[in-house]
Amino acid sequence: KQEVTQIPAALSVPEGENLVLNCSFTDSAIYNLQWFRQDPGKGLTSLLLIQSSQREQTSGRLNASLDKSSGRSTLYIAASQPGDSATYLCAVSPKRNNAGNMLTFGGGTRLMVKP
Amino acid sequence: DVKVTQSSRYLVKRTGEKVFLECVQDMDHENMFWYRQDPGLGLRLIYFSYDVKMKEKGDIPEGYSVSREKKERFSLILESASTNQTSMYLCASIEQWGIDSNQPQHFGDGTRLSIL
Repeated sequence: KQEVTQIPAALSVPEGENLVLNCSFTDSAIYNLQWFRQDPGKGLTSLLLIQSSQREQTSGRLNASLDKSSGRSTLYIAASQPGDSATYLCAVSPKRNNAGNMLTFGGGTRLMVKP
Repeated sequence: DVKVTQSSRYLVKRTGEKVFLECVQDMDHENMFWYRQDPGLGLRLIYFSYDVKMKEKGDIPEGYSVSREKKERFSLILESASTNQTSMYLCASIEQWGIDSNQPQHFGDGTRLSIL
C-alpha cells in the first residue's frame, strides 16, 4: 500500500528565507505527484503537478522536483513571504488499482513565515 | 475558474441522525470525490464517482454512502451519525478519468461536521 510522508511536520522561518519541504512515497509506480496548499479552515488549492515522466515543475517562486526512483519530491519556495504561511500537502496518484485520478496524501507541513 | 461548492461550512448534528453533505461543481466534471481530514491522519478518500449513478468505495467507506443523480452534484450521506464521524469533509472534482488525465483535483472549502 502506498504511503506518503512529509517532513518536517511544522516549520517556522523568517521572511525572505528560501526553504525546502520534503515528501517521500513508498511505491514508485505513480502517474503523477501534486503539491497543494491549504489555508486554515479552507479547502486545498493545487500548486504544482509533476507527471511521472517529468523531473520538475515551476510556478513563480515555487519549484517542485520529482525523483521517482528514490520516492522523493521537494517543494522549494524562494524568498518566502508571510502570505506563504499555510499547510502544504503532497499527494501521489498510485498506479495500482487506479486509473489515474485517485490520490494518496501525506500528512502535510505547516509553514509559518514570520515578518 | 472551476468552482466546487459545499453547501455548509459548519454543521452540528446528533448521534443517530441521518446527515447529508452536498457538493456541487460548475465545470461539467466527470469525477467527484469525498474525503475526510483528521489531525494526524491526513486526507482519506471515502467514496468517489466517475459518472452519474456510478460510485466506487475509497479507503474508508464504512458508515457512509453517496448519491450522484446529476453530474454536477455529489452527496455524502452518514446513515446514522456517530461521534467518530466528527471531522472536516472535503469534496473535490476533476474533469476526466484515465491515465492521460494529468490534471489537478479542484477542492471545495470543506464542511466541518460535529456529531454530539
